[in-house]
Amino acid sequence: AQSVTQLDSQVPVFEEAPVELRCNYSSSVSVYLFWYVQYPNQGLQLLLKYLSGSTLVKGINGFEAEFNKSQTSFHLRKPSVHISDTAEYFCAVSDREEGAQKLVFGQGTRLTINP
Amino acid sequence: GAGVSQSPSNKVTEKGKDVELRCDPISGHTALYWYRQSLGQGLEFLIYFQGNSAPDKSGLPSDRFSAERTGGSVSTLTIQRTQQEDSAVYLCASSPGQGMYGYTFGSGTRLTVV
Repeated sequence: AQSVTQLDSQVPVFEEAPVELRCNYSSSVSVYLFWYVQYPNQGLQLLLKYLSGSTLVKGINGFEAEFNKSQTSFHLRKPSVHISDTAEYFCAVSDREEGAQKLVFGQGTRLTINP
Repeated sequence: GAGVSQSPSNKVTEKGKDVELRCDPISGHTALYWYRQSLGQGLEFLIYFQGNSAPDKSGLPSDRFSAERTGGSVSTLTIQRTQQEDSAVYLCASSPGQGMYGYTFGSGTRLTVV
């Protein structure tokens, strides 16, 4: 069964600095990959997803992620963060070998932006 | 509706009582999922409905938990004889089909067992 590891439970950064949130998944022949964001007291919102094709995926709010099959990673990046990016970020994987029936989520990374 | 609707948004219940949590998915979405989010934890899969197929109940933590989906639309998650460890945010999501489409989540029901 698939599993997802988000290596950092908390990431503090200064406003306008770049940020990378790391995500690794257990090996599989083919997967779909997702990043979700959860703002305080809200539900989860899809940031971006990788299904196939180009390994660099662009999402909303200036975020992007790169699929690296050899390293089984899907790290999320933003070149310059804003206070409004303060939220919890979840990486998720859906295994195409298992019919892509459900998403398996990581433990989440809490991103805190300091002025 | 325009989004996934969950009710109630907050529920406080006494230990040992039964609770019902409701989810109204996006119209036309055939897949419906329940997850649980505990403090400091990730999202724990509970149960998954896809069309008329038998639900995938592999994530339900005990036989006190059950869920049904009536008419392929609204779903109810029932927790019997609630325990303090059941306190969490229960999230519902729906999808047009398989997981490759990603989910649309509701805002969740925050359950507190006292």
